[in-house]
Amino acid sequence: DQQVKQNSPSLSVQEGRISILNCDYTNSMFDYFLWYKKYPAEGPTFLISISSIKDKNEDGRFTVFLNKSAKHLSLHIVPSQPGDSAVYFCAASVSEAGANNLFFGTGTRLTVIP
Amino acid sequence: EAQVTQNPRYLITVTGKKLTVTCSQNMNHEYMSWYRQDPGLGLRQIYYSMNVEVTDKGDVPEGYKVSRKEKRNFPLILESPSPNQTSLYFCASSLSSGASGIKKSEFFGPGTRLTVL
Repeated sequence: DQQVKQNSPSLSVQEGRISILNCDYTNSMFDYFLWYKKYPAEGPTFLISISSIKDKNEDGRFTVFLNKSAKHLSLHIVPSQPGDSAVYFCAASVSEAGANNLFFGTGTRLTVIP
Repeated sequence: EAQVTQNPRYLITVTGKKLTVTCSQNMNHEYMSWYRQDPGLGLRQIYYSMNVEVTDKGDVPEGYKVSRKEKRNFPLILESPSPNQTSLYFCASSLSSGASGIKKSEFFGPGTRLTVL
């Protein structure tokens, strides 16, 4: 059973507008969350992360929000650019020392329309 | 250039013919792992290794073996491949999180597309 879910397989947004990608998780033990971006024929690349002690983390145009009570996180991209078109995966893990096991969602394909 | 390399990038084989997909990283990372990506299922972890000679099962280890004889290499072995192992495989590496529990993001290789007929 998927412990990390991305219920929207695709999203289209106009250039310059905000992109909001959502992710839900079921395991309350998860305390560290990451977003990865994947272009075709390449491996995923790390984008941004958040620890459960925070509810927001920002890095340039990218902001991740975490709502622990709802077991929900979202990635906001503002403003969206055509180069942001990719598949976005959210991932979650439990921060026990030395363990790095990541559980991934199924991905959301973002298309930014020029 | 810091990178994770995988070979081969594409492979078509037949059921039962043993194969190895190699993975190498040049970042002196302790932690390495293998994932498979399938439509509708995202990335699922097959095996991981926290350091040399230390390996453990991930979510979907059945039908796979790994070894970690050197820090930089983490080959994935399919002793008797079957069609349900047709998938896109990614190797990844990262620094270990250590006692602080601070997670390190993983660096992924470019992927190996495997087809088992």
